[in-house]
Formats: sequence, C-alpha cells, structure tokens
Amino acid sequence: GQNIDQPTEMTATEGAIVQINCTYQTSGFNGLFWYQQHAGEAPTFLSYNVLDGLEEKGRFSSFLSRSKGYSYLLLKELQMKDSASYLCAPLDSNYQLIWGAGTKLIIKP
Amino acid sequence: GAVVSQHPSRVICKSGTSVKIECRSLDFQATTMFWYRQFPKQSLMLMATSNEGSKATYEQGVEKDKFLINHASLTLSTLTVTSAHPEDSSFYICSVRRRDYEQYFGPGTRLTVT
Repeated sequence: GQNIDQPTEMTATEGAIVQINCTYQTSGFNGLFWYQQHAGEAPTFLSYNVLDGLEEKGRFSSFLSRSKGYSYLLLKELQMKDSASYLCAPLDSNYQLIWGAGTKLIIKP
Repeated sequence: GAVVSQHPSRVICKSGTSVKIECRSLDFQATTMFWYRQFPKQSLMLMATSNEGSKATYEQGVEKDKFLINHASLTLSTLTVTSAHPEDSSFYICSVRRRDYEQYFGPGTRLTVT
C-alpha cells in the first residue's frame, strides 16, 4: 500500500532551525512536494524534489533520497508565522499526490 | 496573486438542501482539477478528479450522485453537494495541476450543514 510517515507535532523556538522528516512508500514515484498549511486555510506550495539531494529556497530547504524513501524539510531562522502544518506529498506512478496527515509545527518565542 | 479561486469561502445551509462550490483557474487553462475534503486535524482526502469535457473520476467511497462535479470549461469546475447532511460539514478545497505536476490550491470553502 501507499504510506506517508511524518511526526504528528514538533515544537521549536523562534530564530532556531527545525528539520521535519518524512518517509514514504508509494506505487511508483515521480517526485515529492512539501506544502505548508495554516489552520483553516488551503495548502500552499513550498518545494518539489524529483532528484536526490538538497534544494534550497530562502529559509526553507528540502532534501530527497529516493533509495531510502526519505525526505526532510529544513526551516531556518524560524519565525512565529512559520507555525503551521507541513505536508509531505509524494507523486505516485499515476502522478497523483499521496497525502499524509502532516506535521504540526509550533513555534515558541 | 492567486492562481485558483473558490466561491463561496464559507457557506451555511440547512440539512437537505444543495450547495454549489465553484473553483476557477485564474492563471492558466486546466484540463484537470481536483476536489479534496478535509476534516479537522485530518489529512486532505481526494474526492474526485475533474476532467474538462468528460465525467469526473471519483475515489472509492465517494458517492458520485451526492457530490456532483461539472468541469464545463478549462477554467471552471463546480462541486455540488446534494441533499447535504451535518456529516458533510467540512473544508472543501479544489486544486489545479500544471504541466510540471505542481498543484495550486484554492483558498477552500468551509461548509456547515445545520
């Protein structure tokens, strides 16, 4: 079957760095997306990895290892507005996004 | 600016009535749109894939006669919740897929059935 595994909740301090891990099992693989979702809002795109390695985009970076079925999202210089859920979503062989429950990130002053 | 719009953003209706939700692709023509439902503190659940000019493809367990989808043009898809019941209260989100498989989400519609 298809499965996404992320921590349910994480807490970090403003200004710090946090890494959100994601392991996945899918029928085929065509890349992996990370989305941010604030409470009561729709998800917004953060990153897309299709090749192994690290993609850096400002304060956010995303890493992919296809052989390990593993990805992480790294958030630097945390701000209070980064408090949200972070969704790891791989694309399966049908180019369909597979969604997990996401990781709720709580930022404390 | 917004790539996808949804209307209405919030709707309250009485049990037994029908509600229509519109999803518009503002930035590009979309042959494929997706409809999701999300209950509080749960993951996004794909309900159906809306294909322009053809019938929607529904996920297992989603009643196609209850959730009517019409993708009449390359920029508009509608979801109609027929004979709504309180258990249909949820956050409904549409998304549009670009050629690079990135999905852009609409702002969502919060439906409350009383």
